[in-house]
Amino acid sequence: DVKVTQSSRYLVKRTGEKVFLECVQDMDHENMFWYRQDPGLGLRLIYFSYDVKMKEKGDIPEGYSVSREKKERFSLILESASTNQTSMYLCASSLSLRGPQFFGPGTRLTVL
Amino acid sequence: QQQVKQSPQSLIVQKGGIPIINCAYENTAFDYFPWYQQFPGKGPALLIAIRPDVSEKKEGRFTISFNKSAKQFSLHIMDSQPGDSATYFCAASPQTGANNLFFGTGTRLTVIP
Repeated sequence: DVKVTQSSRYLVKRTGEKVFLECVQDMDHENMFWYRQDPGLGLRLIYFSYDVKMKEKGDIPEGYSVSREKKERFSLILESASTNQTSMYLCASSLSLRGPQFFGPGTRLTVL
Repeated sequence: QQQVKQSPQSLIVQKGGIPIINCAYENTAFDYFPWYQQFPGKGPALLIAIRPDVSEKKEGRFTISFNKSAKQFSLHIMDSQPGDSATYFCAASPQTGANNLFFGTGTRLTVIP
């Protein structure tokens, strides 16, 4: 079974803090993704990576950056957290660019 | 702009009923249409997917109907059970370019015993 794990289930941070969300997958997948999920908006793609050190912007990259130094690990960074970044963050991975994506359990981030 | 429009936002059915969730899209480059199921506290999980060369696909009690000319697709759940209570997302991705999966806004399904 594919397993995608995220470092925290719940996180509370203050405005202006730098926030790191970590994601690890154990199936040697090439592609990894970060989404945010908000009520009424569905899932929106923030960034994705199709190889180590490679990244592409998704639909809503503003205020976020990512890092992929190892194949199994994909980090989402909020350089200076703001209250409008309070959300559920979901990481996913896939073997092929157009294949099914496997999601982690999510990190619920609250920015005060 | 929402690339994939999903309705209804929420749905309540009795056990044994057949909930239907509808999705519509405009981009004719889309050629992969998956449905994801998400239980509370979990990430979404792939349920079933279809490509536009077929008009229907069944997996167990779940069926996708696809209407290419109308650019619509829908999920039917036969003999629904309380354990099917979850949020369902449709999605679509284009045949070329990056693997951007465009998600619908989700439908919260409740199946009453």
